[in-house]
Amino acid sequence: QVQLVQSGTEVKKPGASVKVSCRASGHTFTTYYMHWVRQAPGQGLEWMGIINPSGGSTSYAQKFQGRVTMTSDTSTSTVYMELISLRSDDTAVYYCARGGITGTTRCWFDPWGQGTLVTVSS
Amino acid sequence: EIVMTQSPATLSVSPGERATVSCRASQSVSSNLAWYQQKPGQAPRLLIYGASTRATGIPARFSGSGSGTDFTLTISSLQSEDFAVYYCQQYNKWPPYTFGQGTKLEIK
Repeated sequence: QVQLVQSGTEVKKPGASVKVSCRASGHTFTTYYMHWVRQAPGQGLEWMGIINPSGGSTSYAQKFQGRVTMTSDTSTSTVYMELISLRSDDTAVYYCARGGITGTTRCWFDPWGQGTLVTVSS
Repeated sequence: EIVMTQSPATLSVSPGERATVSCRASQSVSSNLAWYQQKPGQAPRLLIYGASTRATGIPARFSGSGSGTDFTLTISSLQSEDFAVYYCQQYNKWPPYTFGQGTKLEIK
């Protein structure tokens, strides 16, 4: 079955950067868009951006423009999300999620990775 | 940006009873709406897409309805495992894809 496995918990200081990985299996990696969504403690879900693993084209939420970079490695079926200039309010669980077949951006997210907790604290 | 507003924020229902969660979009999203369930410490799980189509493996007690701006998630007879937080999401117009703020379904 389709599975997304993310990297482990991270603790970072303010101003640092973090890079979270998400390895996909059970489907053709280059065929589906991948999304990143975050969830601050006790809060709701916030979409960060989308990547087409085939070719690497991206689109980011305006809030994260200039601070986030999403990349893909087709040789390992892995997508990455790097967030720089971390602040305390970036403390959250970061999820990857599979979107639609490339060419179909009007699509739900399924499945989701297990989440990666990123804590930003001095 | 399309704003998704869920109501109520918290819903207290007894096991075996029916639960209804509402979601309203600030502009039409056609039927491009999904519902997710999230339990503590877990990732969201897709329940419904296309406003009314159950995802694979989702029990028939879960149903979705609506189109345009007003949507409803109904759980016909609550089981203990259904107590969780529920989110709606529009995927009609992006960026950004947007979620409702969540509805916590708790045991009465």
